[in-house]
Amino acid sequence: ETVLTQSPGTLSLSPGERATLSCRASQTVSGNYLAWYQQRPGQAPRLLMNGASSRATGIPDRFSGSGSGTDFTLTISRLEPEDFAVYYCQQYGNSPVTFGGGTKVEIK
Amino acid sequence: EVQLVESGGGLVQPGGSLRLSCAASGFTFSHYAMNWVRQAPGKGLEWLSYIGSGGDFIYYADSVKGRFTISRDNAKNSLYLHLNSLRAGDTAVYYCAGAPSYSRYMAVWGQGTTLTVSS
Repeated sequence: ETVLTQSPGTLSLSPGERATLSCRASQTVSGNYLAWYQQRPGQAPRLLMNGASSRATGIPDRFSGSGSGTDFTLTISRLEPEDFAVYYCQQYGNSPVTFGGGTKVEIK
Repeated sequence: EVQLVESGGGLVQPGGSLRLSCAASGFTFSHYAMNWVRQAPGKGLEWLSYIGSGGDFIYYADSVKGRFTISRDNAKNSLYLHLNSLRAGDTAVYYCAGAPSYSRYMAVWGQGTTLTVSS
């Protein structure tokens, strides 16, 4: 199965700063079929990105995704208070679908 | 409003069985493939099972294959997960999540139902 490794495990930043989250796959993700999800405490995950770089409906443009093959990045250009959460990547190009272990973005 | 609402969680003894349900509203349920995903306390997300929009294609994670059974009733806009031979490691919040029928990213999520397996 395709193992997704997210780094860093925790990112400590201040509101207004830029966040860069990494997701590395153990093998090429077919079709660059990679999604990103945000999970706030006590809430369900929410889709942010699919296809590595397509924002889901209603997601602000401060969120952007990039990458291909085995290396993918989620960037939050300027952190808002509501962006402090855990972020997961998921690949759905290879079977079985798999999730990364998550990156927690916390307030510094 | 697009909504998925899970139910059926609770406290179950090891070796027991349970059925989880997921009720959909606000969208055309029969156009979506559905998944079950769980999250153990303090841990990340684990995909468990997938069923195609028409109930045709079904897949399971190795960790639950042979113990869990996914099904759906499009007439009732409902998704189910039958869990058997439960063990402590199955303790988690269980989410249902909908995916566009042409893909497998999870566009719609329920709020989850909590299962605790303990004696």
